[in-house]
Amino acid sequence: DTGVSQDPRHKITKRGQNVTFRCDPISEHNRLYWYRQTLGQGPEFLTYFQNEAQLEKSRLLSDRFSAERPKGSFSTLEIQRTEQGDSAMYLCASSPPTGELFFGEGSRLTVL
Amino acid sequence: GESVGLHLPTLSVQEGDNSIINCAYSNSASDYFIWYKQESGKGPQFIIDIRSNMDKRQGQRVTVLLNKTVKHLSLQIAATQPGDSAVYFCAVGSNDYKLSFGAGTTVTVRA
Repeated sequence: DTGVSQDPRHKITKRGQNVTFRCDPISEHNRLYWYRQTLGQGPEFLTYFQNEAQLEKSRLLSDRFSAERPKGSFSTLEIQRTEQGDSAMYLCASSPPTGELFFGEGSRLTVL
Repeated sequence: GESVGLHLPTLSVQEGDNSIINCAYSNSASDYFIWYKQESGKGPQFIIDIRSNMDKRQGQRVTVLLNKTVKHLSLQIAATQPGDSAVYFCAVGSNDYKLSFGAGTTVTVRA
């Protein structure tokens, strides 16, 4: 158990619906990351927070995607108007300032 | 950007033998390198990391070797066990964030 908690673990939705994923990082970690992983591929960076500030967003994060970390603790990743191409595992990771990333178990999204 | 590639997508190894997984990266400015293990349906699990000021680091049954000259990274697993069966990813980064991952090597341990 890495200590990073993600919810829900699985989400099935219809195309066009909105979905939201939550990540609770390890409590003393000030950095939080979102990655996306499709079948047979390695995780791809989406965005990164240091405390409550979102410092970088990948071009993979279209306008339909928004991530927040309002109090510098938990984070949410929302996908609006989901498309079938959004089907993937969404991974959250946290780290201390100079340490390795600890990943959660992921939230698997299936868009029908 | 960073490009990370693994030399072999799959590796089959006899239980008790040593395993070697290789990885190549493109950005010579990368200074942080990590190996992760991922089991089916789970998130990546940290195995071992190494920074660019080192060329070798050892953990429990694992060794990471870094060759910055040819931009090559390898993971050696000693006395491979059935529980080592998983997908292994190398990840490369700088400033300790925004890691770039390779596609993964699937290791299968034969009894």
